Amino acid sequence: DGGITQSPKYLFRKEGQNVTLSCEQNLNHDAMYWYRQDPGQGLRLIYYSQIVNDFQKGDIAEGYSVSREKKESFPLTVTSAQKNPTAFYLCASSIGVFTEAFFGQGTRLTVV
Amino acid sequence: LAKTTQPISMDSYEGQEVNITCSHNNIATNDYITWYQQFPSQGPRFIIQGYKTKVTNEVASLFIPADRKSSTLSLPRVSLSDTAVYYCLVGKNAGNMLTFGGGTRLMVKP
Repeated sequence: DGGITQSPKYLFRKEGQNVTLSCEQNLNHDAMYWYRQDPGQGLRLIYYSQIVNDFQKGDIAEGYSVSREKKESFPLTVTSAQKNPTAFYLCASSIGVFTEAFFGQGTRLTVV
Repeated sequence: LAKTTQPISMDSYEGQEVNITCSHNNIATNDYITWYQQFPSQGPRFIIQGYKTKVTNEVASLFIPADRKSSTLSLPRVSLSDTAVYYCLVGKNAGNMLTFGGGTRLMVKP
């Protein structure tokens, strides 16, 4: 059963701690993306990767870091430098730039 | 980067046809137009994509005029389950292909 999996669904962290959100896909997609969504708002692109070992900053990359060591995995680390990390985080993947993107179910991060 | 403008919200009733228009005056020659649907606390779902004229699938139709400065997503005979946010995206590169604006919040009433 192919798809894109984000874990965990809910995550709580104390302020000042780094936290890593998992995103795994078994769709053999080259491109992967991370978005942030705040309540009542649209999605904002954090980072994206078109191939393994390469990634690009999106609109709001400050305070976040990513890695793409394997085609299937694109973890996102929310660092302590991110001023307001509480949000809904969505990961997506696509075969290529012109094709349909598939999204995970999201991780809701709450920093207290 | 082509910017898109959509109505913030729309109301409709079950069984009606809903048309959501997206303005993209600065669309580039190679840009595609893509629409996604998002339910609360879920990731967006691809609905339809087009380049020019008309595209139809089992879910919706997408109308694109010759100048491509706007596009209209048409949902036939909506039901309560079509209540969601609909996003219009314009682009051709991985960096802007998935640039989401605020979307249109569609509320379908009984």
